[in-house]
Amino acid sequence: AQTVTQSQPEMSVQEAETVTLSCTYDTSESDYYLFWYKQPPSRQMILVIRQEAYKQQNATENRFSVNFQKAAKSFSLKISDSQLGDAAMYFCAYRSAGRNQFYFGTGTSLTVIP
Amino acid sequence: SAVISQKPSRDICQRGTSLTIQCQVDSQVTMMFWYRQQPGQSLTLIATANQGSEATYESGFVIDKFPISRPNLTFSTLTVSNMSPEDSSIYLCSVKGGPSTDTQYFGPGTRLTVL
Repeated sequence: AQTVTQSQPEMSVQEAETVTLSCTYDTSESDYYLFWYKQPPSRQMILVIRQEAYKQQNATENRFSVNFQKAAKSFSLKISDSQLGDAAMYFCAYRSAGRNQFYFGTGTSLTVIP
Repeated sequence: SAVISQKPSRDICQRGTSLTIQCQVDSQVTMMFWYRQQPGQSLTLIATANQGSEATYESGFVIDKFPISRPNLTFSTLTVSNMSPEDSSIYLCSVKGGPSTDTQYFGPGTRLTVL
């Protein structure tokens, strides 16, 4: 089975600064999708950003961007100009193309310091 | 994106009882997913529920413990049976965004505490 590893249980960032959350995964497949989800204290999981493995260009959504290194099986999330509302648990997730099951990492708890 | 609601949002139950969690989606979806998130842990898929067929359970989860119903394309229930304190978790319902999308959307979750 695929595994997703988030090696940073907790991270903190000063408001307006930039922070990078790490994620690595293990797979033998070549076609897959990667996701970052955000889970604020209210518990609702929200999709932050997604990346198709066949695309070399890194995905970007406003202040959120990824650094996708397919050969290294690395998928980090960069949050620029951090805001207090960014404080949440962030989960990295993997999904094989053609399958429905998601594999989630253990999460990184992000604190934003005013 | 799909809008998903769950009932109840939280509950405290006694050991040995059962709780049924409801999941309602604002659009018709073929597949619905049930996840468990134990305290401080990541999400673990319990089962996939297709309308009109029996749910498919992941390793470590069985129908007798987590029976699932899927009566139509917008609704599903998950029952946690004969509960023990180890069942204390957040249970999340999830759906795919659509046949042409690879993204899943999640409900707000049900926080279950078993005493």
